[in-house]
Amino acid sequence: ETGVTQTPRHLVMGMTNKKSLKCEQHLGHNAMYWYKQSAKKPLELMFVYSLEERVENNSVPSRFSPECPNSSHLFLHLHTLQPEDSALYLCASSQGSVDLRTDTQYFGPGTRLTVL
Amino acid sequence: GESVGLHLPTLSVQEGDNSIINCAYSNSASDYFIWYKQESGKGPQFIIDIRSNMDKRQGQRVTVLLNKTVKHLSLQIAATQPGDSAVYFCAEMYSGGGADGLTFGKGTHLIIQP
Repeated sequence: ETGVTQTPRHLVMGMTNKKSLKCEQHLGHNAMYWYKQSAKKPLELMFVYSLEERVENNSVPSRFSPECPNSSHLFLHLHTLQPEDSALYLCASSQGSVDLRTDTQYFGPGTRLTVL
Repeated sequence: GESVGLHLPTLSVQEGDNSIINCAYSNSASDYFIWYKQESGKGPQFIIDIRSNMDKRQGQRVTVLLNKTVKHLSLQIAATQPGDSAVYFCAEMYSGGGADGLTFGKGTHLIIQP
């Protein structure tokens, strides 16, 4: 285990539903990340939080709303998603060095999301 | 944006043989590279990294080679084992980027045959 847990592991939702993905890290890290992994596509960075403040937002649609209440927890709130949003959503954490670029990121197992 | 790609989507090797997984990058400003392993049902796992001031770095049964002249990165796995079966992908980071500077390749599926 990497010390990063994600719930639920699988989620099926309709386009009008509202759901939330949860990530928790037990590593004492200060930075957390949300990634989207679609089939046959590279991993896409969505959001980055460092010390509970959002530092990166890669032009993600507003139907994805992140929340980082503390350095151990990260949420991704979902509403009015589209079928093309179906993917594996991965959470990661890192120590949170001054230069995040060289932090080693530890990934959770992901949430497999299917939007009907 | 710049792209990071892998030459082969699937690589099949016999157990015990050595395997080489390749990665091409196009951003000459990239100065940090990482290899990840992703097993079925799991998130990516850090394997090894290398900075652009190095040509080679070795870990346990793994070696990463960096050829900056041709912008090529490779991961060598020695004496492959069944547990090495996974998708492997590289990631690059370039100067001037924040965490956004991390760009991932699509991945190569390594299959270890008994």
